[in-house]
Amino acid sequence: QKEVEQNSGPLSVPEGAIASLNCTYSDRGSQSFFWYRQYSGKSPELIMSIYSNGDKEDGRFTAQLNKASQYVSLLIRDSQPSDSATYLCAVKDSSASKIIFGSGTRLSIRP
Amino acid sequence: DAGVTQSPTHLIKTRGQQVTLRCSPKSGHDTVSWYQQALGQGPQFIFQYYEEEERQRGNFPDRFSGHQFPNYSSELNVNALLLGDSALYLCASSSYRGGAEYEKLFFGSGTQLSVL
Repeated sequence: QKEVEQNSGPLSVPEGAIASLNCTYSDRGSQSFFWYRQYSGKSPELIMSIYSNGDKEDGRFTAQLNKASQYVSLLIRDSQPSDSATYLCAVKDSSASKIIFGSGTRLSIRP
Repeated sequence: DAGVTQSPTHLIKTRGQQVTLRCSPKSGHDTVSWYQQALGQGPQFIFQYYEEEERQRGNFPDRFSGHQFPNYSSELNVNALLLGDSALYLCASSSYRGGAEYEKLFFGSGTQLSVL
């Protein structure tokens, strides 16, 4: 059973600080990795994708990938109250055309 | 540009009944994946449809079945409902022709199913 593991949180971060979210995955052959944001009562929304080792930046968001360690992270700089949500790590199954999700980390930005 | 639409928004059923959920993919998308999300959990993959065929299936019993129509819309059917089937059912669309882009999922707003 291929798995994606996340700390469920909640992770509480002061406004303006950097929020760091982490994820590990079991499928060593995976090549595609995603972060989705899900507000309470809403559906997931894609915010970042990453395919190569290293960092990928998009505005206040930076995704980091280390395939050797099977580790993906998401950094949110200058955290805002509107960033309070559940962040889902997702990994493309290397042997099937499906995306596997972690259970999500609940992030709370305190003013 | 219409996004992914799902219906109904909410549904209440009793144990043993059958339910059909519907999904229309985002314009230009041809692949539909269905997920079940229990409260406090991540989405669990049910199955994926492309070219009117089930291409992939997750660890769900045969009570869960689906269909894709020529216009790419899709239905999810659940028979003999159990209390444990209560969850948010999410439809996600993607474009198979898009290379790596096809892996990016666009979700509908979901159907909240309650089984009493």
